Amino acid sequence: GQQVMQIPQYQHVQEGEDFTTYCNSSTTLSNIQWYKQRPGGHPVFLIQLVKSGEVKKQKRLTFQFGEAKKNSSLHITATQTTDVGTYFCAGRDSNYQLIWGAGTKLIIKP
Amino acid sequence: DTEVTQTPKHLVMGMTNKKSLKCEQHMGHRAMYWYKQKAKKPPELMFVYSYEKLSINESVPSRFSPECPNSSLLNLHLHALQPEDSALYLCASSHSFQGTEAFFGQGTRLTVV
Repeated sequence: GQQVMQIPQYQHVQEGEDFTTYCNSSTTLSNIQWYKQRPGGHPVFLIQLVKSGEVKKQKRLTFQFGEAKKNSSLHITATQTTDVGTYFCAGRDSNYQLIWGAGTKLIIKP
Repeated sequence: DTEVTQTPKHLVMGMTNKKSLKCEQHMGHRAMYWYKQKAKKPPELMFVYSYEKLSINESVPSRFSPECPNSSLLNLHLHALQPEDSALYLCASSHSFQGTEAFFGQGTRLTVV
């Protein structure tokens, strides 16, 4: 079946360092969504990307959708303790179903 | 109101019990979802209701029975669960099944003993 691979599984960073997570689909996606889940919390929608090559920014967060609409990335500049959590991508396939990546857990080193 | 409210927040039930999880939203969304999430895993889709009709059942065992009494409410009836069914059960809603963002409730953390 269709899969969305997300890497890395974990990333440890010092506060102030940058963080990036990547998603790659085996097939072309209609769009891709990003969610953040804090420890003990529920997924919270961050953004949706629809167009080929689209780049969107939210303050320190930059989201990209690849030209072939098969890959996406989330980059956080100068991480803060409030960024801690697991970031999930979820790609929408041709049947409009969301295919979730495995998530990348962002850990801030003390 | 941009909230999805789930009750209860925590539930412990025996394998012979019958219980129900409840979900409510007042955003006028016409698609509602049940997800199951195990620790360190992404949410796993169980059911989708679109315009109060069950449109997707992801081969979920019959011991889980969804119900959508009206456009604002979604229930999940549980019966004869197994310990491996212990997980976080998340309800979500979106404007439509093909819509944009999904709003998630805080979830019910279910433990089956």
